[in-house]
Amino acid sequence: DQQVKQNSPSLSVQEGRISILNCDYTNSMFDYFLWYKKYPAEGPTFLISISSIKDKNEDGRFTVFLNKSAKHLSLHIVPSQPGDSAVYFCAASAILENNDMRFGAGTRLTVKP
Amino acid sequence: EAGVAQSPRYKIIEKRQSVAFWCNPISGHATLYWYQQILGQGPKLLIQFQNNGVVDDSQLPKDRFSAERLKGVDSTLKIQPAKLEDSAVYLCASSFDRANTQYFGPGTRLTVL
Repeated sequence: DQQVKQNSPSLSVQEGRISILNCDYTNSMFDYFLWYKKYPAEGPTFLISISSIKDKNEDGRFTVFLNKSAKHLSLHIVPSQPGDSAVYFCAASAILENNDMRFGAGTRLTVKP
Repeated sequence: EAGVAQSPRYKIIEKRQSVAFWCNPISGHATLYWYQQILGQGPKLLIQFQNNGVVDDSQLPKDRFSAERLKGVDSTLKIQPAKLEDSAVYLCASSFDRANTQYFGPGTRLTVL
């Protein structure tokens, strides 16, 4: 069941520009959303999260936006750096239920020098 | 703080053989998760433990997969017998409790020939 979708399998941006990664979800019970970054041969690393009571959360160069009415979230990276090149997974869970996280299929970001 | 540890990192077996994976979560984390990540897909939850009890194993193929967390710390995931379609990365994650962010280990890449 594809409750979390990342429709862009890949994204390429120039160093210094903005990277925007998108994610859509279908389950209205989701109330906690996360982005994970994954390098080859490593496990996913937690990047940033947002609760459904907010519409924006910022941490340095990373900002996550949540649009509950559209069931859509996005991750903005500004400015993008070559070290940001990785696969980014969007995940969602219903904290008040069992916190089972559902992941999207990932978007491979390439930041070119 | 030490992260989630997993072993082995890589395993190659023939179909119908058995295999076991080990996970040591972050110290003090009560909740432990096993995920299966097939190439090109996001991680899919197999089983969730709260201390030494199973919270959710609805997506675990119980005819061949089993997992335990006997003392509420380390966990093992076993596949017996393995099938070709079990080739994947098996990720272990832990969280302080069920309502907190999950942190992942490096994963075990299983290849079934």
